[in-house]
Amino acid sequence: AQSVTQLDSQVPVFEEAPVELRCNYSSSVSVYLFWYVQYPNQGLQLLLKYLSGSTLVKGINGFEAEFNKSQTSFHLRKPSVHISDTAEYFCAVSDFGNEKLTFGTGTRLTIIP
Amino acid sequence: GAGVSQSPSNKVTEKGKDVELRCDPISGHTALYWYRQRLGQGLEFLIYFQGNSAPDKSGLPSDRFSAERTGESVSTLTIQRTQQEDSAVYLCASSPRGTARNEQFFGPGTRLTVL
Repeated sequence: AQSVTQLDSQVPVFEEAPVELRCNYSSSVSVYLFWYVQYPNQGLQLLLKYLSGSTLVKGINGFEAEFNKSQTSFHLRKPSVHISDTAEYFCAVSDFGNEKLTFGTGTRLTIIP
Repeated sequence: GAGVSQSPSNKVTEKGKDVELRCDPISGHTALYWYRQRLGQGLEFLIYFQGNSAPDKSGLPSDRFSAERTGESVSTLTIQRTQQEDSAVYLCASSPRGTARNEQFFGPGTRLTVL
């Protein structure tokens, strides 16, 4: 069975500083990987996804993530955060041919002015 | 266009009562998913509908939980004889095709509180 681990439940970062949100997964087969963001009082929306091809994927709002198969990781990064990036970020994985997403427990990103 | 909508946004009920949660997917989306998000936890898959195929109910935690979907439109999640551990945010998502490659579009959720 697949699982997703987001070790950091909360990450405080100063405005304009870089950030990395960690995500590791376990799966015995090839996977699709996703990052979703949930802004305060809003529903989840897709930030970026890895399906195949280049291991570096770029998403909305300046975020990017790198798929590392050997380390089974899909860490999310942004070189300079903004107050508006305050949100909860969820990493998710699905196996090839499996429509269900398995989510991590989320990381709450707080931007400090 | 309109996104996924859910109603009610908040529901407070007494232990032992039945509740119905509604999801209106994006028009034309054939796949519909229900998830549960307990406080401090990730999203837990409950059930998946794809077109007219039999639903994947493998995530339903007990026989008190059931869900229906009429064609490719509205879905209703029903929880019978609610328990305090059912308190959570229930999220609905839809997708244009029921494959893992497709982005799931989420509704705002229904926050259920069982007293």
